[in-house]
Amino acid sequence: TQLLEQSPQFLSIQEGENLTVYCNSSSVFSSLQWYRQEPGEGPVLLVTVVTGGEVKKLKRLTFQFGDARKDSSLHITAAQPGDTGLYLCAGLEGGSEKLVFGKGTKLTVNP
Amino acid sequence: EPEVTQTPSHQVTQMGQEVILRCVPISNHLYFYWYRQILGQKVEFLVSFYNNEISEKSEIFDDQFSVERPDGSNFTLKIRSTKLEDSAMYFCASSRADRSQPQHFGDGTRLSIL
Repeated sequence: TQLLEQSPQFLSIQEGENLTVYCNSSSVFSSLQWYRQEPGEGPVLLVTVVTGGEVKKLKRLTFQFGDARKDSSLHITAAQPGDTGLYLCAGLEGGSEKLVFGKGTKLTVNP
Repeated sequence: EPEVTQTPSHQVTQMGQEVILRCVPISNHLYFYWYRQILGQKVEFLVSFYNNEISEKSEIFDDQFSVERPDGSNFTLKIRSTKLEDSAMYFCASSRADRSQPQHFGDGTRLSIL
């Protein structure tokens, strides 16, 4: 079974700061998805990256898929309290419908 | 925006009883999934379902579990002879025409086994 390691596990920053969350594996994924999960709710899809080296931007969020499709990062610029939440990465194994999830990064942005 | 809906939001059941968790996937989606998340742990894949049959399942998905699409809109997960360790959040997800499409999740059913 492929594993996805996310770091850091917890992150507390001040409003306006920048941050990067990492998602790493020793295995190759055919695609990788980032979700955000609020307490008591299901994961909400933010973005899917498919091609090695791909960069996608969603307002102040920038997602990158590693060249070898083994790792990904999420960079948030000028974080706001509304960005507070649990960020999950999930990789799709090649030839499979099974998403493998990381444990998540719990982000707190203080006003 | 279309969404996956799950009922009930919370289910409390005595150990040994059977439970059925219900999901209505997004209407034009063809792949359906169940995942679970034990408190404090990762989201784990249980099973995927396509064209009215299981296409993939994990080692967690043993004979205690079954899935069904009883009509054109519902997708259910049945757990027989529930155990304390079955307590978890159960998430249904769906995706469009092929397995490379992103999976969209419902808000989950919190299952508590007493």
